[in-house]
Amino acid sequence: DAMVIQNPRYQVTQFGKPVTLSCSQTLNHNVMYWYQQKSSQAPKLLFHYYDKDFNNEADTPDNFQSRRPNTSFCFLDIRSPGLGDAAMYLCATSTHGGETQYFGPGTRLLVL
Amino acid sequence: SQQGEEDPQALSIQEGENATMNCSYKTSINNLQWYRQNSGRGLVHLILIRSNEREKHSGRLRVTLDTSKKSSSLLITASRAADTASYFCATEGNFGNEKLTFGTGTRLTIIP
Repeated sequence: DAMVIQNPRYQVTQFGKPVTLSCSQTLNHNVMYWYQQKSSQAPKLLFHYYDKDFNNEADTPDNFQSRRPNTSFCFLDIRSPGLGDAAMYLCATSTHGGETQYFGPGTRLLVL
Repeated sequence: SQQGEEDPQALSIQEGENATMNCSYKTSINNLQWYRQNSGRGLVHLILIRSNEREKHSGRLRVTLDTSKKSSSLLITASRAADTASYFCATEGNFGNEKLTFGTGTRLTIIP
């Protein structure tokens, strides 16, 4: 089945130690998104790609970076995780902007 | 910010009863979507209603949209224990910028 896959499902890192979260999709969608979701809150958009065109949200901290080497893969790099970065990170895709988004299961990040 | 607000924040009902959740938003939209999120998982798309539509049905789901009041409602009929989840509305602004803005969510608990 076509899907959005996120690895790992759970990630533990140390304060200040860089971490990379990955997302892959078999849907061949043009648009990929990264969201941060803290407990009992709405998902907050960090970035999105339309093909290779990168779009950064104005309030996304510089500590967060992203790469999309090809259509299928997208990575979220957190350069120096702080305790406040502990959250669920959700990857999503869509055929084009504003339409239905298909989400992966998320990666829960714990920062010690 | 266009972030929507959902009402109520939490709702508990008996299995078999109907559940109604409301969403309000601030600016003009192209479409409004509803998503479900089971605890600790990714979001699942339920239904999309466009700005020129007033009502839409999908199985036990009924969505209404009132663009004059900038509000939407989601009705789940004949609720089941498996409907226990958080429900989020999300809006696409009419700027064509490929983004959704999520509401604050309603936590629905179905009591068997």
